[in-house]
Amino acid sequence: DAKTTQPTSMDCAEGRAANLPCNHSTISGNEYVYWYRQIHSQGPQYIIHGLKNNETNEMASLIITEDRKSSTLILPHATLRDTAVYYCIVKTGGTSYGKLTFGQGTILTVHP
Amino acid sequence: KAGVTQTPRYLIKTRGQQVTLSCSPISGHRSVSWYQQTPGQGLQFLFEYFSETQRNKGNFPGRFSGRQFSNSRSEMNVSTLELGDSALYLCASRPGTGVGQPQHFGDGTRLSIL
Repeated sequence: DAKTTQPTSMDCAEGRAANLPCNHSTISGNEYVYWYRQIHSQGPQYIIHGLKNNETNEMASLIITEDRKSSTLILPHATLRDTAVYYCIVKTGGTSYGKLTFGQGTILTVHP
Repeated sequence: KAGVTQTPRYLIKTRGQQVTLSCSPISGHRSVSWYQQTPGQGLQFLFEYFSETQRNKGNFPGRFSGRQFSNSRSEMNVSTLELGDSALYLCASRPGTGVGQPQHFGDGTRLSIL
């Protein structure tokens, strides 16, 4: 699985869009990009995933660059409850498909 | 639809004891994975089960074991507990083993070793 690089921490004002970047320059063609977040004392929460195209769901949007070497998770209107650690994970299939490798993630702090 | 359920939520044991943790996946999900989370090592993969068979295993000693039942429920067991086993143990489930299927996590069992 490709390695990812994320900023250690980011701040965002409540009501504004939060844009969380992730670099995965060694990604290969069959690897998906997954985003999870973890709020203190809870299990990681699945947010969104994508392969090549941009994706949107009720929680967020995922923008993947054309060369697939980086992506951005967008929370369109951040609230205080979005304060969490956000993990970007690149995952391939094959025999290791059940294994997610979590890095240190980005600590997002949403302030009033 | 109910999420992944882990029991118990909190557990206190002493060194040398053994412990069994339980996980009920989301209804219809047949794949269950286990992770350990500690402040020092972060989230680390333990193993994955599908159709009662272990499909993948992380880099943990043999004291850590698991199993899956025919109804997809899973248990993990840790024998001869050590202080370093104090952690949040997380279970995740997904429908099958196909690529592109995200895992959904429970809120974990917090194990403290005295």
